[in-house]
Amino acid sequence: GDSVTQMEGPVTLSEEAFLTINCTYTATGYPSLFWYVQYPGEGLQLLLKATKADDKGSNKGFEATYRKETTSFHLEKGSVQVSDSAVYFCALSPNTGNQFYFGTGTSLTVIP
Amino acid sequence: NAGVMQNPRHLVRRRGQEARLRCSPMKGHSHVYWYRQLPEEGLKFMVYLQKENIIDESGMPKERFSAEFPKEGPSILRIQQVVRGDSAAYFCASSPSGTQNIQYFGAGTRLSVL
Repeated sequence: GDSVTQMEGPVTLSEEAFLTINCTYTATGYPSLFWYVQYPGEGLQLLLKATKADDKGSNKGFEATYRKETTSFHLEKGSVQVSDSAVYFCALSPNTGNQFYFGTGTSLTVIP
Repeated sequence: NAGVMQNPRHLVRRRGQEARLRCSPMKGHSHVYWYRQLPEEGLKFMVYLQKENIIDESGMPKERFSAEFPKEGPSILRIQQVVRGDSAAYFCASSPSGTQNIQYFGAGTRLSVL
């Protein structure tokens, strides 16, 4: 069945460091891929998405590229800020069906 | 435009009691989804509803759990005779009609069963 495997945390980085959070998926067909972010005490917010192979989603300095050959959708940011501290979830939505499949989430803490 | 509203944010119940979780979708959204997040796990799909209809309940436990989305008012996730294993965060998401691929999430209800 469809699934998402996400890099385990927690991750602690210094401000301005480079961030990578790995995400790989298993799915039939051509799913859409997403990164959601959850700030403390809040709900999940859509960070970025990609709907087909080689698409790059980007938002707020974060990027992820849909790689069908490696079934991956790694999240990257060149220079993290303290305000990026949150939990990040990778998710996929199959072309058919009604649900999202989520990874377990990666907690990121950025220290000044 | 208010987002997806869930209440209560925190709910404490004793074993055997009932838990009722409410979700008001974003304005104009007629599709609601419920997910559960157990400790140290990702979100798991439970049920998908449209107004007055359950469309997909493949992720719902067969007993004690039910969901509704009436014509008027919020969607309700109801857990009867709660057990400790029901302790989790329950998230609701909504989407506009016909665009199931975009889901907007609420802040979740954290249920603790004593």
